[in-house]
This record gives sequence, structure tokens and C-alpha cells, in this order.
Amino acid sequence: QLQLQESGPGVVKPSETLSLTCSVSGASISTNRYYWGWIRQPPGKGLEWIGSIHSSGSTHYNPSLKSRVTISVDTSKNQFSLQLRSVTAADTALYYCARQRRELLYLAWFDPWGQGALVTVSS
Amino acid sequence: ETVLTQSPGTLSLSPGERATLSCRASQTVRDNYLAWYQQKPGQAPRLLIYGASSRATGIPDRFSGSGSGTDFTLTIIRLEPEDFAVYFCHQYSSSPGGTFGQGTKVEIK
Repeated sequence: QLQLQESGPGVVKPSETLSLTCSVSGASISTNRYYWGWIRQPPGKGLEWIGSIHSSGSTHYNPSLKSRVTISVDTSKNQFSLQLRSVTAADTALYYCARQRRELLYLAWFDPWGQGALVTVSS
Repeated sequence: ETVLTQSPGTLSLSPGERATLSCRASQTVRDNYLAWYQQKPGQAPRLLIYGASSRATGIPDRFSGSGSGTDFTLTIIRLEPEDFAVYFCHQYSSSPGGTFGQGTKVEIK
């Protein structure tokens, strides 16, 4: 059964870089049929897509975050990672990783999701 | 950006009742590229519906999705105790990751 698990620091100081890793188990991350994505949810708010990556290294980012985000993949470890630079309190959120279905001409739904990692931006 | 507005914000119902959740898009969702997820406290979101009306693997048939264009509906007939949760819609037609609605909470009356 495919499982995803986020890991990383729970607290990040303002202006620093938030780094999270998603470990994938139960299936290879190297598959053409899927991308691997990051989604976040600020406390009490809705979900926001951050970006997605294919095992080939191809990436798509949310334009509103693109200047601060880098998503990378390590196929040897079956992991992918998120870096968000110059964080502020507005970046405090529950960060989820998820597998994203790749259709012929578009990227689609997310399934399954990890449990989420709470990251608080605070000095 | 396509904004999804879900209504109502909270739905108070009893087990056995029917739940009807709405998701309205600010612009046409191409080819019904819309999904629904269920989220329980402390748990990861779970995919229920994709393509507006296709049930994901293992999802009971009491869950159904419908709609097209800008108006979509998630219906749960005969609510079970485990169905009380927050439900999100997600359109994936206008950008690689799409956008999400703010959620509808289905609570026990």
C-alpha cells in the first residue's frame, strides 16, 4: 500500500528557509503516471497547492509562490523535497505531500496524501 | 485563478439523513476536472470523487458527485457516523495544481 510521510523541522525562523522531505513507501516514485506534489493548509484556512514534480525532474509551481519555492526529487531514496525561502508568519501551515495523477494533457487529483507536517514560523 | 466557493460552510444533519454539498466555480471547469476530498480531524485528506462523478477506489456508493460547468454537487445519501467530516472540492482544469474550495463541515445535529 502506497504511503507518504512528511518530515522536517516544526519551527522555522522568519526570513529563513523551510525544508521538508516526503518519503514514499509501497511504490516507486519513478513512474510516468504520476507527479508528486506539496499542498499546504494554514490554520483555519483552505488548501493551497504549492508545486509538483515528476521523477524526471520536471516541475510545476504555484505562480504566487514560484519565486520562493524549489521542489526536488531523489529517486535513489524514493523521496522528494520542498524548500520555501524567506518565510514569514504567513507561511505557518500544515504541509502535505501527495501523489498527483498525470493524465495525457494535464495534472489531476491528489491521492493519497501524507498525514501532514505542521510548520510554524516563529523567532 | 479559478475560485471555488463551497456552501454551506457547515451542514448539521443526523445519521441516516442525506447531505448535499455545493461547489461553485468562478469560471467554467473544463471537462469536469473536479475532485472531492474528505478530511477528518488529525487525518490526511482522502480522495472521494474525481472527474466530477467518478468514485475513487474503495469509496462507498452512498457518495456521489454530479455537475458540470461552474456548479458541482457532492451527495451523501444516508449519512453514516464516519461520514461526519470536512469536505473539500478541487478543480484541476486551470493550472497544474488547481485550486481548492474552503471546505464544508458536515457535523452531527
